[in-house]
Parts: sequence; C-alpha cells; structure tokens
Amino acid sequence: KNQVEQSPQSLIILEGKNCTLQCNYTVSPFSNLRWYKQDTGRGPVSLTIMTFSENTKSNGRYTATLDADTKQSSLHITASQLSDSASYICVPRGGGSTLGRLYFGRGTQLTVWP
Amino acid sequence: NAGVMQNPRHLVRRRGQEARLRCSPMKGHSHVYWYRQLPEEGLKFMVYLQKENIIDESGMPKERFSAEFPKEGPSILRIQQVVRGDSAAYFCASSLGQGAPYSNQPQHFGDGTRLSIL
Repeated sequence: KNQVEQSPQSLIILEGKNCTLQCNYTVSPFSNLRWYKQDTGRGPVSLTIMTFSENTKSNGRYTATLDADTKQSSLHITASQLSDSASYICVPRGGGSTLGRLYFGRGTQLTVWP
Repeated sequence: NAGVMQNPRHLVRRRGQEARLRCSPMKGHSHVYWYRQLPEEGLKFMVYLQKENIIDESGMPKERFSAEFPKEGPSILRIQQVVRGDSAAYFCASSLGQGAPYSNQPQHFGDGTRLSIL
C-alpha cells in the first residue's frame, strides 16, 4: 500500500530560526516528489520538485533533499518568517500503472512565533 | 487571475440534499483532478478527468458521487443525498497533461469548497 508518513505532526519555532521537516514514503513505482505549502483555508502551492535522480533542490529559503534508495525526503527552512506558518505536505508521485497519481502526507503544521 | 477557480467557497446543505461543486481549470489546462480533505487528514484522490472523459475514478465512492468535465464549462463534482460524513473540503487541481512530457509539471490547486452538512 502506498503511504506517506511525515514528522513531526506539528512544530513551533521562533522567527528567524531554522527547521527541518521529514517525510518517509513507500510509493512504488516512484516518479518524483514534491513539497507543497498549504496556508489555512487555501489550496496547496508547490514549493519544490525532485525526480528520483536528484538529491537536493533549493527554492529561496526552502531546501529539499531526497534519498530515493531509503525513500526519505526532508524540507529545510532557513531563517523562518511569520509567513512560513502553514502546513507543509510531502507528495510523492507514482509512476507506471499508477497513472502518475499523487499521494499526500498529512502534513507538518508549522507555526512561527515572533 | 488565471488560477484554478472553485465555487462556491462554502456550501451548506441539509442531509438528503444535493451538492454541486464547480471547478474552472487554469487557462490551457485540460486535465482536472478532485480531492477530498478531512480535518487533520491529507488530501485523498477522488477522480481524474479530461475533457468529456473520466480517466480514473478509483477514489470515488461507489454511490452518490459523480463527476463530469464537459466540452464547455467547468468540471462539476456532484454529491447526491448528502450525509454528515460528506462534510469536508473538496479541492480541484488542474494540469497541462499527465504522462510524459508533463510528469514533472505541477498540479495547480484551487482554494477548495468547504462543504458542511447540517
């Protein structure tokens, strides 16, 4: 069964601090992995994408890593801002017969305090 | 705003009524996906449609739920005889394509319809 597990479930940090969010998945076959940010009451917005051959990808203060062998990914946020408060969702994409379906984790709820 | 548009943003229905949720994809996108999100849960795939065709409905409940994406107009997710358990946020996403060369293209999401059943 294709599954996505994210940790921690929730996280509170002070503005300006760094944090790292974790994702373990069992999706197979695997095509790529994307991290989404979902603000309260809004739809998810893509932050980064990595294919199985990529180890790291940066987008401003966001840096994602991927180990396709161990099926683990992380999202590192540097110098956090209040606007970073949101749910961060790990989304591996299936390949082959899965028709490219996306598998959503439950997300890590990040709260940044001033 | 050329993003994915969903309406209504909030919908309240009584048990037994019908709910119709609409989704207009991004301009130029012909692939539409519907997802359901329960509180504290991840998004769950429901159905994938192209214009006038249902490609994958393996995530749709077998009864009361249907979806369409007509040649003209928005995609519609229809829930008949709603029950309390249908209360959730329903998200629509669209993309340019599905397989290669689009597999690395993102799905763009609307802001959802929050359905409440009284």
